[in-house]
Amino acid sequence: IVMTQTPLSLSVTPGQPASIACKSSQALTHTSGQTFLNWYVQKPGQPPRLLISEVSARLSGAPDKFTGSGSAVDFTLKIRRVEAEDVGVYFCMQSFQMPFTFGQGTKLEI
Amino acid sequence: QVQVEQSGAQVRKPGSSVKVSCTASGDTFKNYAITWVRQAPGLGLEWVGRVIPDIGSRNFARQFQNRLTITDDESTHTVYLKLTGLKSEDTAVYFCAWGLKTFGVAPDSWGQGTLVTVSS
Repeated sequence: IVMTQTPLSLSVTPGQPASIACKSSQALTHTSGQTFLNWYVQKPGQPPRLLISEVSARLSGAPDKFTGSGSAVDFTLKIRRVEAEDVGVYFCMQSFQMPFTFGQGTKLEI
Repeated sequence: QVQVEQSGAQVRKPGSSVKVSCTASGDTFKNYAITWVRQAPGLGLEWVGRVIPDIGSRNFARQFQNRLTITDDESTHTVYLKLTGLKSEDTAVYFCAWGLKTFGVAPDSWGQGTLVTVSS
């Protein structure tokens, strides 16, 4: 499954919102009804950190300014008000089918 | 979440092999899947393989099928990645990541990464 993210880089003024799109080459919805699209953020020199699983479920510790949405093949990560600490590279990843695949990453800058 | 520790950086010559370890704290082998992901310098994330130790399940990315071995030691909660026939393109940070083995669950506990440099 090919994952395509847009944009690949994003420069945002502090306090403004940001939005990242992720499109999969096939639907990620299981017969159970669950959709296996996840969002990670990676800061320089660190491993990726899981922010959101199954499209919209925020992990414990992920600020509520991060919102995931979408269905089937089109997904979006929104950041309500960008702050300096949000700088990093954001990846979507599908866990519907192996090999799990990642988007190219979106570099968020202030 | 579990705490994950990986072995240190290694430098290898082309054609040789490398073995990276990944150890987790706690009673973690039951119900967990361990995923290996690599990241070449300045590039994105590439899924390498996944194992579920307590049921003996192993899946590898097609491009590594003949060169990759993933083993586990339940007594020490350690998983090992071994890659043979190293090429310069294998230079990357190799991450292991643990997550529940349930279908579709994304790994949420990552090691710090191990830099493998392949150079003559």
